[in-house]
Amino acid sequence: ETGVTQTPRHLVMGMTNKKSLKCEQHLGHNAMYWYKQSAKKPLELMFVYNFKEQTENNSVPSRFSPECPNSSHLFLHLHTLQPEDSALYLCASSHVQGGPGNTIYFGEGSWLTVV
Amino acid sequence: SQQGEEDPQALSIQEGENATMNCSYKTSINNLQWYRQNSGRGLVHLILIRSNEREKHSGRLRVTLDTSKKSSSLLITASRAADTASYFCATDEGYQKVTFGIGTKLQVIP
Repeated sequence: ETGVTQTPRHLVMGMTNKKSLKCEQHLGHNAMYWYKQSAKKPLELMFVYNFKEQTENNSVPSRFSPECPNSSHLFLHLHTLQPEDSALYLCASSHVQGGPGNTIYFGEGSWLTVV
Repeated sequence: SQQGEEDPQALSIQEGENATMNCSYKTSINNLQWYRQNSGRGLVHLILIRSNEREKHSGRLRVTLDTSKKSSSLLITASRAADTASYFCATDEGYQKVTFGIGTKLQVIP
């Protein structure tokens, strides 16, 4: 138990569907992240939120739409995805950078399959 | 863009042996971290070494950092089957720019 909970753990969706991934952290952190992990590729940072404000959008296609209603919750809204978007989506949280090290705490991930 | 690059990409050893994984990176960093990922799960933080530190220990883990060579190594001593996982280095360039490599897949054979 890392203190970061992701739901659902597995999701299969068609290319015309709309779905959302949810993340909640119980660590009192004020920064939250979405990462994408595909086979044989480095972990890709998608979005960063600090104190509910988006501070990083790493050239992510608009079919991925993040939402951060408060410092404890983060969503990733998905619509008209492509099969190549199939991957493990990892949510993470940390304290805002400024301390001696920015340890990142990850959730267990949501496995997404686009058919 | 990828910063850290782990080497080797896969490693298979017998239980009880030591496992060494290396990480090279390209730009200046504030610190370097190592994470572990069991198959299909999230990443778990193992150890952080700051740019002004050269070596750090945590249990059976030993991490070194050579900023002149822009490289780090993770040594797991007396490996166990439960150490089977993927190991990632992550470089922290500041401003929450933490970049992960592809990882080293370690298999420890009982």
